[in-house]
Amino acid sequence: SQTIHQWPATLVQPVGSPLSLECTVEGTSNPNLYWYRQAAGRGLQLLFYSVGIGQISSEVPQNLSASRPQDRQFILSSKKLLLSDSGFYLCASTDRNTEAFFGQGTRLTVV
Amino acid sequence: GEDVEQSLFLSVREGDSSVINCTYTDSSSTYLYWYKQEPGAGLQLLTYIFSNMDMKQDQRLTVLLNKKDKHLSLRIADTQTGDSAIYFCAARVGSGNTGKLIFGQGTTLQVKP
Repeated sequence: SQTIHQWPATLVQPVGSPLSLECTVEGTSNPNLYWYRQAAGRGLQLLFYSVGIGQISSEVPQNLSASRPQDRQFILSSKKLLLSDSGFYLCASTDRNTEAFFGQGTRLTVV
Repeated sequence: GEDVEQSLFLSVREGDSSVINCTYTDSSSTYLYWYKQEPGAGLQLLTYIFSNMDMKQDQRLTVLLNKKDKHLSLRIADTQTGDSAIYFCAARVGSGNTGKLIFGQGTTLQVKP
């Protein structure tokens, strides 16, 4: 099975500062990778997904961007954080098998 | 379009059965999943069903799929207080490795002793 490493677990950043969240995957190759955001008390919103290196699909217009420099590495970034970027960010991976695997999440608070 | 919808809240008494419902719009959905999220934690896969199946049972969990109505349900038998959590329905839209995973907004299950 896959293992998803996501860090950091918690992050407090000031408004206007940059962001970089990293996700790496073990146990598979050529997975689909996803970034989701969960605002407090809300559901999971798909932000980005990637079917391969350098291939990124953005699902919602926003202040964030994603990159996939390697097959099993997915990075979520922002040049200038907004208060509304606060939330719980989850990285996920799927492959040809049935199950989707999730990281433990990063709780981002923008102050 | 791709959309997955769930009711937001369900309250049951300990020992009763819980039924959480979900509808999805994309008929190309291949796999349908139920995930559990406890407070402050990530997502835990509970069970999944392939789109050519009608039912899947796994211990206290029963998943029913009505493909015609695009309706999925999760039944938890003998619900315990430890089952209190948010339950997410998800649909894998598209085929093979190119499919996207779309989540519902989650159903908060409250189990009263």
